[in-house]
Amino acid sequence: EAGVAQSPRYKIIEKRQSVAFWCNPISGHATLYWYQQILGQGPKLLIQFQNNGVVDDSQLPKDRFSAERLKGVDSTLKIQPAKLEDSAVYLCASSARPGHDYEQYFGPGTRLTVT
Amino acid sequence: TQLLEQSPQFLSIQEGENLTVYCNSSSVFSSLQWYRQEPGEGPVLLVTVVTGGEVKKLKRLTFQFGDARKDSSLHITAAQPGDTGLYLCAGEIGGVGTSYGKLTFGQGTILTVHP
Repeated sequence: EAGVAQSPRYKIIEKRQSVAFWCNPISGHATLYWYQQILGQGPKLLIQFQNNGVVDDSQLPKDRFSAERLKGVDSTLKIQPAKLEDSAVYLCASSARPGHDYEQYFGPGTRLTVT
Repeated sequence: TQLLEQSPQFLSIQEGENLTVYCNSSSVFSSLQWYRQEPGEGPVLLVTVVTGGEVKKLKRLTFQFGDARKDSSLHITAAQPGDTGLYLCAGEIGGVGTSYGKLTFGQGTILTVHP
C-alpha cells in the first residue's frame, strides 16, 4: 500500500514570496491533516479535512495560509506571502476516519526555508 | 502555552541502559498516542492508550496512561542504537463531534543511544 506522498521535499524562498505544497493521501482515506513542525517542536495542526470539507482550521493563519481539497482526495497548502517564521517542515497526514481508532499516517514532509 | 509537556527534552545514553520519557498536562485527554520520528520522515505511531491506568507493552517499550488521563510515560528497557530518534506524545481532547481526531503534540524528546 502506497503511503502519503508530498511534494516538493524541500523549498527555499525569499520572504514575501508565495509557495504551495501538495499532498496525496493514502487511497480511500477520508480525513486529511496538515501540520506545521518548527525545528525543536512537535507538529501543530493547521487544518483538518473530512472528505472535501474543513473540520478544523482554528490554528491556520488565514491572512496568509490557505488550503483546499477540492475533490476530497489530494490537497494543496499555500502560503502567500511567506514570513521568516514560516520556516518549518509541513507534514501531511491521512486516516481512514477521524478519531483515535484510526491511525494517522504521515508523509515525509516538505522542509520550507524562508530567507 | 504548551498543553503537553515532555521531559526530558534530550536524552543521551549507552546501549543497554533503561530510560523513561514523561508526558504531562493539566488537561484530560480522551486518548494519548506515542510516536517516533526519524530525520527527514514523518512521525510513526507506536501506541494508543485510551483507558486511565492502562499499560501497553510493545517488545522493550512499555507505555502507561495516568489514572486521571492527564499524563503518560514511555519506558524503554535495554535501549539499542536503533531506538535513536524523536519521541512525541500526542493527546486527543474530546469525543465524537467537532475536531474529533485533533491531536495536540508535545515538543518531543530527542533520544540518542550510543553503541
